[in-house]
Amino acid sequence: SQTIHQWPATLVQPVGSPLSLECTVEGTSNPNLYWYRQAAGRGLQLLFYSVGIGQISSEVPQNLSASRPQDRQFILSSKKLLLSDSGFYLCAWSAPLLAGGPDTQYFGPGTRLTVL
Amino acid sequence: AQSVTQPDIHITVSEGASLELRCNYSYGATPYLFWYVQSPGQGLQLLLKYFSGDTLVQGIKGFEAEFKRSQSSFNLRKPSVHWSDAAEYFCARGRGQNFVFGPGTRLSVLP
Repeated sequence: SQTIHQWPATLVQPVGSPLSLECTVEGTSNPNLYWYRQAAGRGLQLLFYSVGIGQISSEVPQNLSASRPQDRQFILSSKKLLLSDSGFYLCAWSAPLLAGGPDTQYFGPGTRLTVL
Repeated sequence: AQSVTQPDIHITVSEGASLELRCNYSYGATPYLFWYVQSPGQGLQLLLKYFSGDTLVQGIKGFEAEFKRSQSSFNLRKPSVHWSDAAEYFCARGRGQNFVFGPGTRLSVLP
């Protein structure tokens, strides 16, 4: 069966510090990978989407970036954190999309980031 | 653009009572629809999904949802709520990077 891991679970960082959040998926190959942010009292916002190694689509302009160095590894980074980067970050995966076909996203446990 | 609305921000029910959470989606030829549940501080867990076929779908934890194309709705139901069902519930639609979530409905359960 497939599992998705995220770490760290919680993180407190000062403004201006760098960030690296990691997501890994087990039990599947060539997954689509996603980074979402969930701000307090808000819904989910898609940040990045990847269909393969080195292939990243950014959905929202911001000071965050994403990388996919390996097939089942997805990393969210920032060089300098802002207060507004605080939130709950969720990684998700889905099977490769067939043309026009449906897919289902499965979520990791999330990382709670607090920027002070 | 495709969208999902959940009219109820917060619902409170007594344990053992029935539950219905509302979800409406904007027009779309093939609305792939989903319900997820999120406990505090946790990730999202898939409850059920609808792609095609039988409009009444069964999910985990005793939940079911009914797709009604004429009403553009995909409401979530449970006949008897347990205290452990207290959580945030998200309706979603789409595929790939076009996955759209509703704003969520927070469910509180009274003992």
